[in-house]
Amino acid sequence: QVQLVQSGAEIKKPGSSVKVSCKASGGTFSSYVFSWVRQAPGQGLEWMGRIIPVLPITSYAQRFQGRVMITADKSPTTAYMELSSLRSEDTAVYYCATEGDDNQMTNWGQGTLVTVSS
Amino acid sequence: QSALTQPASVSGSPGQSITISCTGTSSDVGGYNYVSWYQQHPGKAPKLMIYGVTNRPSGVSYRFSGSKSGNTASLTISGLQAEDEADYYCSSYTPNSTLGFGGGTRLTVL
Repeated sequence: QVQLVQSGAEIKKPGSSVKVSCKASGGTFSSYVFSWVRQAPGQGLEWMGRIIPVLPITSYAQRFQGRVMITADKSPTTAYMELSSLRSEDTAVYYCATEGDDNQMTNWGQGTLVTVSS
Repeated sequence: QSALTQPASVSGSPGQSITISCTGTSSDVGGYNYVSWYQQHPGKAPKLMIYGVTNRPSGVSYRFSGSKSGNTASLTISGLQAEDEADYYCSSYTPNSTLGFGGGTRLTVL
């Protein structure tokens, strides 16, 4: 069973950047596909993008293009999501998840709260 | 604005069955068999309940089932239990190798 452990909560100023990490265990690097999903307070889920680390290939949701970067390290197996030019509307819980062959998100991290406030 | 349309809320009594719909287009739900459903309890991470339209991951109750007709996918929960009360989200593969979510449906067990 794959386990994902994310970095802790962050408080950021508008205009700054945040980088959230997601450490994976229980699987193999070559099999991982990591997706990032966010959820603003009281709102629904929003897919941000994914990385296939072994290739490596990234895909991003259009609304985050140019503002988000997803990367991954092999050892230890960790995915990162960096979001820049933060604004108050980016306040949300950010989740990483492993994505399967049918684009299903099977394993989820515990979530990281990012608060953007002046 | 969500890519996929779900009802905001549904409700049912214990033991009953309910169905949650997820409507997209021929470019997403209708075009691929890559629809998933997630359950989310307050303050918790989402949990995968259905993938590939109809497949149930190991450990998910048989009471949960998925289907699709045209551009609309559906999640059916039979024999409703109090623990099923949660938010439910559908997702689908969309063009350009991206994913879209529905806006979510709040299930209330009366």
